[in-house]
Amino acid sequence: AQKITQTQPGMFVQEKEAVTLDCTYDTSDQSYGLFWYKQPSSGEMIFLIYQGSYDEQNATEGRYSLNFQKARKSANLVISASQLGDSAMYFCAMLRASYDKVIFGPGTSLSVIP
Amino acid sequence: SQTIHQWPATLVQPVGSPLSLECTVEGTSNPNLYWYRQAAGRGLQLLFYSVGIGQISSEVPQNLSASRPQDRQFILSSKKLLLSDSGFYLCAWISGTGELFFGEGSRLTVL
Repeated sequence: AQKITQTQPGMFVQEKEAVTLDCTYDTSDQSYGLFWYKQPSSGEMIFLIYQGSYDEQNATEGRYSLNFQKARKSANLVISASQLGDSAMYFCAMLRASYDKVIFGPGTSLSVIP
Repeated sequence: SQTIHQWPATLVQPVGSPLSLECTVEGTSNPNLYWYRQAAGRGLQLLFYSVGIGQISSEVPQNLSASRPQDRQFILSSKKLLLSDSGFYLCAWISGTGELFFGEGSRLTVL
């Protein structure tokens, strides 16, 4: 069975500092996709970044980068130069190789301190 | 461009009443569609997903059901709501690149 674990229920970071949000996953699939989504207090889900299991380079999108360590089954999100608007819930998610099922982790609440 | 809509945005229902949440996608064909539920302060729980008309996979055996009567329409239903059904329901579809696009969400309160 597939599972996503996010061990940090809540995180604090000083404005302009970098922060790493942890995500580990469990799957028997050889091919899969990993995502990070941001959910502000408004409830909308905002796509941040995607990493395919066969991608050799870590994905980057602006201030977001995904530290992918396949052997450790981890896909940590790194946010550089944190901004007050980064305060939100962050979810790690996995897409199955068969391109059907997408499961989410429990989320990490990030608070950026001025 | 592709868009996804779900409604109603907010509803308050008594225990034992029926439920129908609707989701439609525009600008794409044969999308994979998903229903998630999010309890307050919690993660997204996958309830149902569908890879085509009439094809529904259930992840959580509960008093909820889903149907896909048309290619771009996904409906979440219940015959009798429970208090535990309260939550934020999100419909989503997945693009060819694997990105999930979410609807605006439906906030259900069961009293």
